[in-house]
Amino acid sequence: QSALTQPGSVSGSPGQSMTISCTGTSSDVGGYNSVSWYQHHPGKAPKLLIYEVTNRPSGVPARFSGSKSGNTASLTISGLQAEDEADYYCSSYTDITRYVMFGGGTKLTVL
Amino acid sequence: EVHLLESGGGLIQPGGSLRLSCAAAGFSFKNYAMTWVRQAPGKGLEWVSAISSSGGATYYADSVKGRFTISRDNSKNTLYLQMSSLRAGDTAVYSCARDFREYSYGYTFDSWGQGTLVTVSS
Repeated sequence: QSALTQPGSVSGSPGQSMTISCTGTSSDVGGYNSVSWYQHHPGKAPKLLIYEVTNRPSGVPARFSGSKSGNTASLTISGLQAEDEADYYCSSYTDITRYVMFGGGTKLTVL
Repeated sequence: EVHLLESGGGLIQPGGSLRLSCAAAGFSFKNYAMTWVRQAPGKGLEWVSAISSSGGATYYADSVKGRFTISRDNSKNTLYLQMSSLRAGDTAVYSCARDFREYSYGYTFDSWGQGTLVTVSS
């Protein structure tokens, strides 16, 4: 099964907003609300940022937000900070495996 | 504090077998579904396999189905991944992760281990 589609890389300046998309199908992103987003700094464990499309775990700053329209989910980071430079992955429940699939990942560079 | 520690990785020849372990601490292991995720060098995260809290239900990515077996021992707070017929494409860091919903499937992972490296090469 193919990964969910994310842009390979995005970049922005401190203080700007950035949106990362995650495109799937009606068998995953479009059909279910089990979309999550993770932040991954190389060499560290991934960190859960968003679950069930829009929900933030406690401790995740409010400048991270999630949304979904049709088969595409989005992660928006408001007020970019240098420490936001990392890889970002979306994931979704998929009825193909009846579990989870990840997006290909997006490398965020803060200029 | 939740703690997940993987072990068992190493260098293995193509066609060989390896068993990974994930020791869990800091939470009621028996109440949570668990997952294995891998990341090949320079590549993204790939979901590999998952198991229900009781161990009665298992799930696999197509890329490993029939070659990998996930299991757990709730009395030892340990998750396993038995890997066989290993290929070069299985080379990756393998991490275990906890589902964020207790007693249910959340399809979201709130705690991750640091991973163990598996290298398949002759």
